[in-house]
Amino acid sequence: QVQLKETGPDLVQLTQTLSITCTVSGFSLTTYNVHWVRQPPGKGLEWMGAMWNGGGTDYNSAFKSRLSISRDTSKSQVFLKMNSLQTDDTAKYFCARQKDGGYSRDPWFAYWGQGTLVTVSS
Amino acid sequence: DIQMTQSPASLSASLGETVTIECLASEDIYSNLAWYQQKPGKSPQLLIYDASSLQDGVPSRFSGSESGTQYSLEINSLQSEDAATYFCQQHHDYPPTFGAGTKLELK
Repeated sequence: QVQLKETGPDLVQLTQTLSITCTVSGFSLTTYNVHWVRQPPGKGLEWMGAMWNGGGTDYNSAFKSRLSISRDTSKSQVFLKMNSLQTDDTAKYFCARQKDGGYSRDPWFAYWGQGTLVTVSS
Repeated sequence: DIQMTQSPASLSASLGETVTIECLASEDIYSNLAWYQQKPGKSPQLLIYDASSLQDGVPSRFSGSESGTQYSLEINSLQSEDAATYFCQQHHDYPPTFGAGTKLELK
């Protein structure tokens, strides 16, 4: 069955770089798009970016140039890297998959990972 | 970016009641709206997409509707397991954006 699992650090120092891995199973990254969404504690959801099945990426301009998404299809992994972390980057980070594959870029998310909570500390 | 204004922020209802949660889009999103349910410590679960299409496995007591740029999630015959926070999300344009959430408590 479709599964996504995020792994990353619990704590990141202020101004440092965050790296999170999303390991997927039950589908191919060359068929389905994977997105990153984050949620600060007790708050709402924010779309960060996407790894398209063709290998391209798209980013929320709110993160300007400090966000990077990449993948390793042989390992079924998608990577999120974000630099210059601030305290308001403290959040649970989710990877999520669209329901439909192929050419669809319709961003509603039928499958989610459990999320990984990252705290930015000074 | 498209703004999604969700209301109410919280509500309390009794078992068996019907509740409605609303989302107003800042522009026409052409029925491209999803609803999610999120329980504490868990990831969001998709309930509805395309404003009114029920995701596989979701009970039929959940339904979605629209009127112009106003979208609604109705939950009929409330069950104890429906206590959660509900989010709307527009999937018409990038970046996809979410409402602030509605926390539903059961009396």
